[in-house]
Amino acid sequence: ETGVTQTPRHLVMGMTNKKSLKCEQHLGHNAMYWYKQSAKKPLELMFVYNFKEQTENNSVPSRFSPECPNSSHLFLHLHTLQPEDSALYLCASTRTGLNEQFFGPGTRLTVL
Amino acid sequence: GNSVTQMEGPVTLSEEAFLTINCTYTATGYPSLFWYVQYPGEGLQLLLKATKADDKGSNKGFEATYRKETTSFHLEKGSVQVSDSAVYFCALGSFSGGGADGLTFGKGTHLIIQP
Repeated sequence: ETGVTQTPRHLVMGMTNKKSLKCEQHLGHNAMYWYKQSAKKPLELMFVYNFKEQTENNSVPSRFSPECPNSSHLFLHLHTLQPEDSALYLCASTRTGLNEQFFGPGTRLTVL
Repeated sequence: GNSVTQMEGPVTLSEEAFLTINCTYTATGYPSLFWYVQYPGEGLQLLLKATKADDKGSNKGFEATYRKETTSFHLEKGSVQVSDSAVYFCALGSFSGGGADGLTFGKGTHLIIQP
């Protein structure tokens, strides 16, 4: 595998379920990001991790819980979501000194 | 705070037409500017970038020039193809000081090229 991978690609869950999204980067980067992409809205930055430490939480509700066990892996744990949380969740990575971010294909989440 | 404004689509053109997608920004300091492209069912791919004023980014026939005086980064292509149909995002970011700040995106412009 190369680049940034995300699993699952599609997820349907009920409002009472607990699920997790996974992101893995194979690029040797040190920073990883979660973005939310909703229809008719700009991409919204959710969380930033740099060298496994969370450096930004963009006022995201606590029903979204990120985890970064190492610089290559990033998780987004989901619980008691709302239908308005349905969106495409994108993971990205970069390294210090590299002036761009690399994105994964995203997880399409539907909350029923 | 930072913000990006881009023309909203859909923009529909005929094959071989000239393309311009406008993008203006508001930012503190001296951000880098980007155009990303998203094809159906995929994530975002970097199309081109510019890291300082008057830089021109180019890739696959697309160009954009970092204009600090007009705070703009318009995307252009001289002759579009059907395969260019996608959603295009203008974005800005700051990578100074060894930080890892997130990018600020526009809403995206859906481009449709008809044969």
